[in-house]
Amino acid sequence: EAEVAQSPRYKITEKSQAVAFWCDPISGHATLYWYRQILGQGPELLVQFQDESVVDDSQLPKDRFSAERLKGVDSTLKIQPAELGDSAMYLCASSLVLGLNTEAFFGQGTRLTVV
Amino acid sequence: GENVEQHPSTLSVQEGDSAVIKCTYSDSASNYFPWYKQELGKRPQLIIDIRSNVGEKKDQRIAVTLNKTAKHFSLHITETQPEDSAVYFCAASPVTDSWGKLQFGAGTQVVVTP
Repeated sequence: EAEVAQSPRYKITEKSQAVAFWCDPISGHATLYWYRQILGQGPELLVQFQDESVVDDSQLPKDRFSAERLKGVDSTLKIQPAELGDSAMYLCASSLVLGLNTEAFFGQGTRLTVV
Repeated sequence: GENVEQHPSTLSVQEGDSAVIKCTYSDSASNYFPWYKQELGKRPQLIIDIRSNVGEKKDQRIAVTLNKTAKHFSLHITETQPEDSAVYFCAASPVTDSWGKLQFGAGTQVVVTP
């Protein structure tokens, strides 16, 4: 069964350092989402791509976060510099046409700890 | 944008009893409402979804109801079992011809005690 791949699974970084996460969606999925999930809370949408274009980044802290999906396939989310409050699970998800053809499938996530 | 509120935040039930989780949404353009189950340390996984042209949908012990007028939808789990213990998230999304956008509720921790 096809899955959304994310790496690394775990990342520990010092504050003020740069960190990057990678996501490879299910083949053929045009929509890719990056969510941040703080322990005990629901996933919060950071950025959404349709193919290589950003369709929503209203909740992305653009002073320190950036995301790209250059060829409309895999994607990278970067934080620079990392802050203590960035400690969370970063989830990537992908879908065909959400709700019409398919659901959103989530990756295993990257657990980030900023020390 | 869409705002989804979910209640209760925690729910403890005895095995065999029913569990009900309720969500409200704000964007009248939302037309797709999935429910995800997240077990500890695992990814969220879809358990059931409903579209706005349907009022109720069932899948074995799980059912979802939707009231578009009141902008709320609910998850019902009957004959609960210990393996139903998890965090459940509701979500709402306006869906166009080519893509949709998922906004999640804060989650409900369900604990089923034997």
